[in-house]
Amino acid sequence: SAVISQKPSRDICQRGTSLTIQCQVDSQVTMMFWYRQQPGQSLTLIATANQGSEATYESGFVIDKFPISRPNLTFSTLTVSNMSPEDSSIYLCSVKHRDWDYGYTFGSGTRLTVV
Amino acid sequence: GNSVTQMEGPVTLSEEAFLTINCTYTATGYPSLFWYVQYPGEGLQLLLKATKADDKGSNKGFEATYRKETTSFHLEKGSVQVSDSAVYFCALSDTGGFKTIFGAGTRLFVKA
Repeated sequence: SAVISQKPSRDICQRGTSLTIQCQVDSQVTMMFWYRQQPGQSLTLIATANQGSEATYESGFVIDKFPISRPNLTFSTLTVSNMSPEDSSIYLCSVKHRDWDYGYTFGSGTRLTVV
Repeated sequence: GNSVTQMEGPVTLSEEAFLTINCTYTATGYPSLFWYVQYPGEGLQLLLKATKADDKGSNKGFEATYRKETTSFHLEKGSVQVSDSAVYFCALSDTGGFKTIFGAGTRLFVKA
């Protein structure tokens, strides 16, 4: 199965600043997904990132706030812009296996605290 | 639209007790169903999955059967261990796996 390296693992940021989260996969994947997991809650899909095209955002998430890059089939970044304390969450990237029997693999997450 | 409903936690059990975590779903078409586990400080890991009705997924002593008639995918384990303490998420993916919906998660505490 794919191995995902996500960084940073955690950060504490000042409100109004931006943070870019990186996700590196050890194999080529078509679709990469970015999720947010707020404290004590489930995962919410932010957007789907396909190489060579604009990311597709879910309802409630906009590109100006969460710009995504997908320069190749093994790498993606998510930026959390103009942060506020409400953005404090765990952010996870995920990929779908070519063999669908293996479901999704998740990165270990980025724990973001905005102060 | 599709949805997943999972029993609320936390669930606290003694070691070697029987575990059931209920999960029901609403979906159109033929979704795939998954259980993911999240250990403290880590990302989600696939625990088991089932891709069609009556399939039974199993891994590490955990089992779940895809019941289309009751739209359920309950997670069971006959004898839990302290190391099973984690948050368990039931999830549903549409045909082709382009979008996954997660349940709210159930936190399990196992006492020695």
